[in-house]
Amino acid sequence: DAGVTQSPTHLIKTRGQQVTLRCSPKSGHDTVSWYQQALGQGPQFIFQYYEEEERQRGNFPDRFSGHQFPNYSSELNVNALLLGDSALYLCASSLLGRNSPLHFGNGTRLTVT
Amino acid sequence: GESVGLHLPTLSVQEGDNSIINCAYSNSASDYFIWYKQESGKGPQFIIDIRSNMDKRQGQRVTVLLNKTVKHLSLQIAATQPGDSAVYFCAEMPPYGGATNKLIFGTGTLLAVQP
Repeated sequence: DAGVTQSPTHLIKTRGQQVTLRCSPKSGHDTVSWYQQALGQGPQFIFQYYEEEERQRGNFPDRFSGHQFPNYSSELNVNALLLGDSALYLCASSLLGRNSPLHFGNGTRLTVT
Repeated sequence: GESVGLHLPTLSVQEGDNSIINCAYSNSASDYFIWYKQESGKGPQFIIDIRSNMDKRQGQRVTVLLNKTVKHLSLQIAATQPGDSAVYFCAEMPPYGGATNKLIFGTGTLLAVQP
């Protein structure tokens, strides 16, 4: 049973560029959340998708956008990259509903130069 | 507000000893809590969870204690092994409208197991 898979594992971009990160949820899960983890910190919630709609959003600018596909996979897009966007981007999947544990992938390490 | 730990507390223990990792959560209305283990280069791995109607839950070699009065969680690891070395995060799920399950993560603790 495959867990959450993310691609690519590492990425280097230049300021001002755009990036797309991809996530396939754990089998049987229908909800995907994205988190940003800066070095030495805990993950910070970006947004959550269910039924191809954004259900909730954290304190991130509109440069961060996402999408969920009918097969529940998801993409995170970041436009106009800033140096401060350098971080580990984590995808987590779960079943919709409270008290449903989130299962995380190993993340995409994004470096903006 | 949301937790943004800048300095990682460290707990150093001897192999075979018991470890206790503590966490203070922020929202008294949070009703679901999870402990995660994060090894270098990997994503957070689910360890154990607890709902607010419980004060203790046990898993394999791990126990989570919840004290809602002081908004405190602890993770106890029995007979700590070198493979337990990692950063440990507690996470809380505050009440939001609908069925969303956003997690707020606490400041991680680095557990270093000495052989």
